[in-house]
Amino acid sequence: GDSVTQMEGPVTLSEEAFLTINCTYTATGYPSLFWYVQYPGEGLQLLLKATKADDKGSNKGFEATYRKETTSFHLEKGSVQVSDSAVYFCALSDQGSWGKFQFGAGTQVVVTP
Amino acid sequence: NAGVTQTPKFQVLKTGQSMTLQCAQDMNHNSMYWYRQDPGMGLRLIYYSASEGTTDKGEVPNGYNVSRLNKREFSLRLESAAPSQTSVYFCASRGGAHQETQYFGPGTRLLVL
Repeated sequence: GDSVTQMEGPVTLSEEAFLTINCTYTATGYPSLFWYVQYPGEGLQLLLKATKADDKGSNKGFEATYRKETTSFHLEKGSVQVSDSAVYFCALSDQGSWGKFQFGAGTQVVVTP
Repeated sequence: NAGVTQTPKFQVLKTGQSMTLQCAQDMNHNSMYWYRQDPGMGLRLIYYSASEGTTDKGEVPNGYNVSRLNKREFSLRLESAAPSQTSVYFCASRGGAHQETQYFGPGTRLLVL
């Protein structure tokens, strides 16, 4: 079945450092790919998405490119802020189904001043 | 436009007690979902409703029941709570212009003693 694997955390960074969170997936069809962010005590918010190969999703300085050849959707940000401290989830949705999502385990990111 | 709302925000139950978690969305979405979030395990699908009048099991349905009351509301019921059901529960909906995206509520934190 479909699955998502993302790097384990916590990832601890200093402010203005470069962030990369690796995400790889396994899917039988042509899924859409997502990054969601969860701030402490809150629900998940969509950060960015890509619906087909080579698409780049971007939002709030974060970027991720849908790489079909490597089945990856790595999240990057060039200069993190303390406010980026959160848990980040990679997810896929098989467009051929009823919209079922498969989530990764989540990566906690801690940014220190 | 409140998006997805959930009640209650926090609940403590004793083993064997029952309760219903409420979820409502005002985005006119067809599909709704219930997830549980446990440390290190990401989000796991409990039940989903692809459209009004239909419900189906997800990955971890045991011990739960659901009701799609109408297009807006999707409730999750624990008939006899167990400590293993201590978790954070999220409701989500999908539909509209961004068919591939799920939108999440703020969550219900449940503690079963």
